[in-house]
Amino acid sequence: GEEVAQTPKHLVRGEGQKAKLYCAPIKGHSYVFWYQQVLKNEFKFLISFQNENVFDETGMPKERFSAKCLPNSPCSLEIQATKLEDSAVYFCASSPRTVSGANVLTFGAGSRLTVL
Amino acid sequence: ELKVEQNPLFLSMQEGKNYTIYCNYSTTSDRLYWYRQDPGKSLESLFVLLSNGAVKQEGRLMASLDTKARLSTLHITAAVHDLSATYFCAVDRYGGSQGNLIFGKGTKLSVKP
Repeated sequence: GEEVAQTPKHLVRGEGQKAKLYCAPIKGHSYVFWYQQVLKNEFKFLISFQNENVFDETGMPKERFSAKCLPNSPCSLEIQATKLEDSAVYFCASSPRTVSGANVLTFGAGSRLTVL
Repeated sequence: ELKVEQNPLFLSMQEGKNYTIYCNYSTTSDRLYWYRQDPGKSLESLFVLLSNGAVKQEGRLMASLDTKARLSTLHITAAVHDLSATYFCAVDRYGGSQGNLIFGKGTKLSVKP
């Protein structure tokens, strides 16, 4: 499709519970990105994939966060043992990426995670 | 520390007026992105500025890039209510096109009749 599809739109978890978010990138886009938006405006890069391979994971809190992009499946972002500070909107984005040009990311609608 | 700073963070304008949003960044990036976000919605790509001196215009919005000053501007001409949104600028952390973007904190624009 022509949009990045994220599910669920909203997710509520108690502290310590697991949360899993899904993202279907635009068909033909080989790069997938996860961003976290907290406090309404602060965006933080988490991780990116080139097809099913991790491209850049420098933003991932490794202790509790993990992500995958497997062939023929939506990409996923999983948070084990959620904490209150994980409450945020998680955006997935995809891009076709050109080596010499710009990398224009198309963002999904986001998944709002609330940790109580 | 790598930074992207926008100002102002809040902007209340009257319809018909002009204003400029500024975006300063500390990386050596030669490309800069502007996005728009409506409340509760996703980010919409507005402009991609790819080189020093680049200028792009779409409707009442015009963006420019000065890589030597590490400054981009988003100019609003004759604002209308439909432009009310939060505007973000972003640069690539590594200065290229890897997609690891550092965003400014956003400028919340409110256009009043």
